[in-house]
Amino acid sequence: GAVVSQHPSWVICKSGTSVKIECRSLDFQATTMFWYRQFPKQSLMLMATSNEGSKATYEQGVEKDKFLINHASLTLSTLTVTSAHPEDSSFYICSALPVAAYYNEQFFGPGTRLTVL
Amino acid sequence: KNEVEQSPQNLTAQEGEFITINCSYSVGISALHWLQQHPGGGIVSLFMLSSGKKKHGRLIATINIQEKHSSLHITASHPRDSAVYICAPAMGPQGGSEKLVFGKGTKLTVNP
Repeated sequence: GAVVSQHPSWVICKSGTSVKIECRSLDFQATTMFWYRQFPKQSLMLMATSNEGSKATYEQGVEKDKFLINHASLTLSTLTVTSAHPEDSSFYICSALPVAAYYNEQFFGPGTRLTVL
Repeated sequence: KNEVEQSPQNLTAQEGEFITINCSYSVGISALHWLQQHPGGGIVSLFMLSSGKKKHGRLIATINIQEKHSSLHITASHPRDSAVYICAPAMGPQGGSEKLVFGKGTKLTVNP
């Protein structure tokens, strides 16, 4: 149980295009999902906290108009990288917090590797 | 100063050796995760603990809240344990959606 999927697992796009990444909790409901970014040889960094039915909370330095987050259901959150540029190339990982979570037991997706040419 | 310090940064061991990875943090936390990240990037949560000790197979995690320190031990290490191990304290009060802060990770290589 407690499986989180991400789609796509990797994507290559041209500069200026938008890319949508999906994060799904497959066997549980999650009112809260988190989006992280990891640049090569660096640690994971929290980008935003996504709450079902409300606006996402973005971390300092993360542009909310560039990284659009939609959490329309208890099992799906999407991250859209708008007008992607090469510096947005990174590994994007989501995690989901089950509705009945004990403390802060998050379950992680497998990640999406984005390459912007 | 980083809020989360892991040591060592890199660790090479021979198959069968006992492995210890340490994590120190500087802020109050509600719980702490140990995560495993394989070369492909996917992350697996190994443990979440808020006190004492947990054991899962050959993995043991301990935490000392007063000393703000946690350790991950691997007994009888195997090449398939080769991965990056990440310490991630959950900041904030108990319950709710606390944020995780991540250490830089310890890259473990276990040679046959």
